[in-house]
Amino acid sequence: DIRMTQSPSSVSASVGDTVSITCRASQVISNLLAWYQQKPGRAPSLLIYAASSLQRGVPSRFSGSGSGTNFTLTIGGLQPEDFATYYCQQGNSFPFTFGPGTKVDFK
Amino acid sequence: EVKLVESGGGLVQPGGSLRLSCAASGMSVSSYAMSWVRQAPGQGLEWVSVISGSGLYTHYADSVKGRFTISRDNSQETNFLQLSSLRVEDTAVYYCAKRHRRGWLQSDFFFDLWGRGTLVIVSS
Repeated sequence: DIRMTQSPSSVSASVGDTVSITCRASQVISNLLAWYQQKPGRAPSLLIYAASSLQRGVPSRFSGSGSGTNFTLTIGGLQPEDFATYYCQQGNSFPFTFGPGTKVDFK
Repeated sequence: EVKLVESGGGLVQPGGSLRLSCAASGMSVSSYAMSWVRQAPGQGLEWVSVISGSGLYTHYADSVKGRFTISRDNSQETNFLQLSSLRVEDTAVYYCAKRHRRGWLQSDFFFDLWGRGTLVIVSS
């Protein structure tokens, strides 16, 4: 199975800050990575797929980069509604696996 | 509005069974692979199972293989997850999720539509 790791596990930030989250895969997955946002009590929602493609309707302050085993989600200009937990997911092979999550909270 | 609605969760004793349903509305999902993803209380996301649009192909996480069965009825735009031999560690919110693109053979599996989830509690 492909193991996904994320860092940091949590980050404290303020509105307007730029936040970057890293995701690493235990083996090469090309660009087959997605990022999801989850707010408390809500289902996850797709932000980025294929490492850098922005899902329809997602604000352009969200961006993704990377390929192979190392990936980054960047939120440029954090907004109040962005305080949430973020998960990466590899879509390369079964079983699909998620990272452990990164919680973005108020500083 | 396009949405997925899960149902069938509840409290069950260890060793028991439940059948979860996921009904789609607002669009036809018959051409899309559908998955179940679960989240234990206070924990992260765990992918559980996937079924192809035709229903011919399925895959499971090792943690549920042999105990859970995924199926679908495209005439009802509904897919199902049969949970058997339930364990305390199966306690979680179970989400239904739609693959972001049609087809099965492509290797990129991401999920662009999620239901609100149904809670399964396994406890004596």
